[in-house]
Parts: sequence; C-alpha cells; structure tokens
Amino acid sequence: EVQLVESGGGLVQPGGSLRLSCAASGFTFSSYEMNWVRQAPGKGLEWVSYISSSGSTIYYADSVKGRFTISRDNAKNSLYLQMNSLRAEDTAVYYCARDLGQQLVPRAFDIWGQGTMVTVSS
Amino acid sequence: DIQMTQSPSSLSASVGDRVTITCQASQDISNYLNWYQQKPGKAPKLLIYDASNLETGVPSRFSGSGSGTDFTFTISSLQPEDIATYYCQQYDNLPRFGQGTRLEIK
Repeated sequence: EVQLVESGGGLVQPGGSLRLSCAASGFTFSSYEMNWVRQAPGKGLEWVSYISSSGSTIYYADSVKGRFTISRDNAKNSLYLQMNSLRAEDTAVYYCARDLGQQLVPRAFDIWGQGTMVTVSS
Repeated sequence: DIQMTQSPSSLSASVGDRVTITCQASQDISNYLNWYQQKPGKAPKLLIYDASNLETGVPSRFSGSGSGTDFTFTISSLQPEDIATYYCQQYDNLPRFGQGTRLEIK
C-alpha cells in the first residue's frame, strides 16, 4: 500500500524550532518529487515547499523562505521539514504530499499523508 | 503572483443535482490546474489534474474543463458521499490553491 506518515508535530513557543518527518512506503521514494502543504485551523490549503527526487532542486513559499528547510534521505525513504523561527501564523496541520509529475517543478499532489499538527504558542 | 478566485465559497445542492464550481486565474495558466476534494478531518484527495484528466480510481461523475484563465469543475449527479470542500490549485508558477468551495446537501 502506498503510504506517507508524518511525525514530529507538537507545541512550540514563538521563535522556536521543530523538525517534521515523513516516512514513505509502498512506492519507489527515490523516483518521486515531494512537497509539504499546510492548512491552518479552519482555513484553506497552502503549499509550503518542494524537493526534487535527487534533492538538487528546491522551492519554498515566500511565507517560509529563509526559515524552513526541506530535505530528504532516499536511503531511509524519508522527507523532512526543518522549521526555525516559528511564528503563530505557522500554526497548521502539515501534510507531506507526493508529486504526480517529474518535471522538476511542483505540479500536482497525488498521495498525501494524514498530517501532523504544529501549534506555535506561548 | 498568480491569484486564484474560486466560486462559490459555499454551495447547497440535492442528491442527483449537477454541481458546478469555477476557478479563475489572474493570468493565463494554460491547463496547469488541478482539483482536490477534502472531507472533514481528512487529507485532500486529487480528483482532476491538468484541468481535465481524471485521476485513477475517481468516479466518472467528476469532470473538469477549461484552459487559460477560466476553469470549471463539475459533479454530474451529486451523491451523499460527495459532501466535502473542493479546492482548485494552479501550478503555472509556484503552486497556489483557491479559497475552497464547501459543498453541502440540501
């Protein structure tokens, strides 16, 4: 079964850091581009970051650029999101999502994890 | 930045009705437009990609059309299990989602 499982969410103070992980199974992880997408409570979806299959091409939303770092370990079938300088507005459910295309740009998200909640509050 | 205007924001319809949601881009995005369904407490699900291509396993009552700046998502005959929020998403530039359409049963 194709599956993505996120972990690492929790409560963190403003200015703090958190590292999210996403474990992939059921497909050849190293062949797929990956993304992080978030959803604030009661709000819509916001794309956060993209990484190519090799890790050589990366994009970020302006709202997180300079604070978040996406990475992957293909040997461990895992995707990561290092989040620093967290703000209240980063509070959201964070989803990892597999990219449908192989075009070195984020395209469509065909497989999603269940999400992990990040709460930034003092 | 490319802005996506999705309408309506909410919609109430009866089982069996034809339902239409529109998404307008602030500039030409060719066919770089996808549609997702999200049920409460669940992750989104890809329904339509590249404006009109049905994702594998998605019922044929769902369809999409359009190109350039104007796109349409249609459910040909609404079923009770279709109650959800629907989002469009462009990828001409970095991905951006529409505001969502909450679909309810009348």
